[in-house]
Amino acid sequence: SQTIHQWPATLVQPVGSPLSLECTVEGTSNPNLYWYRQAAGRGLQLLFYSVGIGQISSEVPQNLSASRPQDRQFILSSKKLLLSDSGFYLCAWSKGLAKNIQYFGAGTRLSVL
Amino acid sequence: KQEVTQIPAALSVPEGENLVLNCSFTDSAIYNLQWFRQDPGKGLTSLLLIQSSQREQTSGRLNASLDKSSGRSTLYIAASQPGDSATYLCAVTLGSNYKLTFGKGTLLTVNP
Repeated sequence: SQTIHQWPATLVQPVGSPLSLECTVEGTSNPNLYWYRQAAGRGLQLLFYSVGIGQISSEVPQNLSASRPQDRQFILSSKKLLLSDSGFYLCAWSKGLAKNIQYFGAGTRLSVL
Repeated sequence: KQEVTQIPAALSVPEGENLVLNCSFTDSAIYNLQWFRQDPGKGLTSLLLIQSSQREQTSGRLNASLDKSSGRSTLYIAASQPGDSATYLCAVTLGSNYKLTFGKGTLLTVNP
């Protein structure tokens, strides 16, 4: 069976510090991978989408970037965090043509202070 | 631009009550609609997926309906239990692509 892992579960970072959140998927190959953010009072917002190694689509302009160094690894990064980057970050995967049937990780709660 | 609205934002009911959560979307040309559950501080769990050609889907005590022409979906929960307490999210896609558009969710509390 497939599983998706995200870490860390919780992170508190000062403004201006770098960020690296990691997501890995097990039990499948060539997954589509996604990063979402859930900010207080707002719905889930898709940040990045990847169909393969090194292929990243950005959905909204922002202070963040994403990379996919391996088939089942997806990394969310920032060089300098802003207060507005605080939120709950979720990684998800889907397979093949059923791109909109997505399976979510447990999330990372990021607080930028 | 597709917008998804969920009403109410929060709902508190006594255990055993039947309840309905509402979801509306502005662009009726959807490909499918999904209902998710999110426990506090956790990821999302898919509950029901309704294709645009379907009117409803059922899973145990849950029944989701879809009226595409009016841009509405409802999630019916029968005989609610305290374990049903969570945030329920509705999401739609316009095509068979990756882009899910989510509502802000309904926070459900079922009191014992």
